[in-house]
Amino acid sequence: DADVTQTPRNRITKTGKRIMLECSQTKGHDRMYWYRQDPGLGLRLIYYSFDVKDINKGEISDGYSVSRQAQAKFSLSLESAIPNQTALYFCATSDSGERGGPSEQFFGPGTRLTVL
Amino acid sequence: RKEVEQDPGPFNVPEGATVAFNCTYSNSASQSFFWYRQDCRKEPKLLMSVYSSGNEDGRFTAQLNRASQYISLLIRDSKLSDSATYLCVVATGFQKLVFGTGTRLLVSP
Repeated sequence: DADVTQTPRNRITKTGKRIMLECSQTKGHDRMYWYRQDPGLGLRLIYYSFDVKDINKGEISDGYSVSRQAQAKFSLSLESAIPNQTALYFCATSDSGERGGPSEQFFGPGTRLTVL
Repeated sequence: RKEVEQDPGPFNVPEGATVAFNCTYSNSASQSFFWYRQDCRKEPKLLMSVYSSGNEDGRFTAQLNRASQYISLLIRDSKLSDSATYLCVVATGFQKLVFGTGTRLLVSP
């Protein structure tokens, strides 16, 4: 079984709809992240969470919200989807590295979202 | 200027060739450096961390030049299975990773 799972894997929706993308992990990591990937722009950080009570905005948080329901679950919501939110969304997890610094991030398989 | 810049490629090489990718970063306070590999329509996976002294893992060698703020990845004896996009990743601060847009490698028979 995959260590980091995302649901749904693909979603097509219409402008103005509310969408929730879910991420679960069995790695026991405290830290979880949401990224989006667009051609030519690379991966950009939307939100991240270092533990259940910690939520932080990333580079491009406008139009998104998150919820850390448990250590293992981190969901991303688009309150009112718009076409330029069409992208590939990845969830990732990591433990806290040496002295709290960066360590390897493990990514889920991605959710391909299309907003019409 | 982007925080992390890579040549997007594609680099087309025959099997057995040696290929090198470079990556430059703009923040001199960057602390940690990585190369990730991403296959088409798949998630990125860590290929190797990059240490100041340079490091090697089989056919892969990573180098860091802090003075010039660039990172390199050398792949020797390329295999068909090396075809992928290679992402340069720089960490500034605790766990904030900045990803380059990736360099695409195509290895042909």
